Amino acid sequence: LAKTTQPISMDSYEGQEVNITCSHNNIATNDYITWYQQFPSQGPRFIIQGYKTKVTNEVASLFIPADRKSSTLSLPRVSLSDTAVYYCLVLNNTDKLIFGTGTRLQVFP
Amino acid sequence: GAGVSQSPSNKVTEKGKDVELRCDPISGHTALYWYRQSLGQGLEFLIYFQGNSAPDKSGLPSDRFSAERTGGSVSTLTIQRTQQEDSAVYLCASSLTPGAHEQYFGPGTRLTVT
Repeated sequence: LAKTTQPISMDSYEGQEVNITCSHNNIATNDYITWYQQFPSQGPRFIIQGYKTKVTNEVASLFIPADRKSSTLSLPRVSLSDTAVYYCLVLNNTDKLIFGTGTRLQVFP
Repeated sequence: GAGVSQSPSNKVTEKGKDVELRCDPISGHTALYWYRQSLGQGLEFLIYFQGNSAPDKSGLPSDRFSAERTGGSVSTLTIQRTQQEDSAVYLCASSLTPGAHEQYFGPGTRLTVT
């Protein structure tokens, strides 16, 4: 499984755009990039998944360059409720999720 | 619809006692997963069910841990002779199909072994 590297923590203020970058240098051809969000005292929640270029949904955007060795999760205009841990995962046809340490995002008023 | 539910939400037990943790997956989800989250180890996979069978038990930390799933629905994770290092939040997740990358997690059971 491809190993991922992401910042341990990030701080932001309400209304700002937050970009969290994840490195996955040994990503394989059939791997997908997936992001989960975890609020305190809750289980993780699927946010977005992509294979290449750009994916956007109602929560976030995911940017993946052509070499796919990294990806960036973009959260537009964050609010206090976006304070959470964000996990980057690289998945193929696997039955289990392998979580790293994640990025702890703290949003300030 | 209803999400994944787990019970109890909190469990405090004495070292050496057995505990059972329950998971009710989303109706119709064929795959069910157990994970454990602790301060020292992060979030780690324990076991995966496809229907009632468990093709992947690779994450179970010792033979004190076992799990079963009946009727393709409810699952029980049992920890025998609990140790203090078993203290963690035990999370259950389910997905519509095996291998789906979108897994739906329950709120977890916080286990404290004293």
